Amino acid sequence: DSGVTQTPKHLITATGQRVTLRCSPRSGDLSVYWYQQSLDQGLQFLIHYYNGEERAKGNILERFSAQQFPDLHSELNLSSLELGDSALYFCASSVDGPYNEQFFGPGTRLTVL
Amino acid sequence: EDQVTQSPEALRLQEGESSSLNCSYTVSGLRGLFWYRQDPGKGPEFLFTLYSAGEEKEKERLKATLTKKESFLHITAPKPEDSATYLCAVQRNRDDKIIFGKGTRLHILP
Repeated sequence: DSGVTQTPKHLITATGQRVTLRCSPRSGDLSVYWYQQSLDQGLQFLIHYYNGEERAKGNILERFSAQQFPDLHSELNLSSLELGDSALYFCASSVDGPYNEQFFGPGTRLTVL
Repeated sequence: EDQVTQSPEALRLQEGESSSLNCSYTVSGLRGLFWYRQDPGKGPEFLFTLYSAGEEKEKERLKATLTKKESFLHITAPKPEDSATYLCAVQRNRDDKIIFGKGTRLHILP
């Protein structure tokens, strides 16, 4: 158990819908990262927040948005869902930057029908 | 375009048979290179960060090395429990973006 929690574990929804994925980092970690993993694309970095502020952005679509709240938990919002958004979404946390050890959560499996 | 290429895609070894996994990268300004291990259906597990050419890090049967164009993950006398997918990633200096390779699936036969 890494200490990072993600909810829900599984999510099944329809095209065009909007969902919110939630992540609670390890106690004391200020950084939160979001990743998308699909079979054909591998692991893709989406976005990094540090202590409530956006630090780095990867290949995150405009339909996706994220935020980190004052209690350091983070949410990833996915809207206007498409079939291709079906994937595993991982959250990770670290004390500071990514050059420090990142601890990954168990992931949320999103299925868009 | 910045990219990370891992080879081989898959590797089967006998228990005790040492080998190396390769991660080649092209990136405009490397901040750091990371190695992860991922078991099926689970989140990646951090192994190492390497910052500069010539750096080496070790952990149990694993040793990671870095040159200006590639990194190697050496596995010495592997055991079946080392079976997993090993992922390599680089972080760019200019925007801190992280780019992953597609991984090497390693299977150690008892």
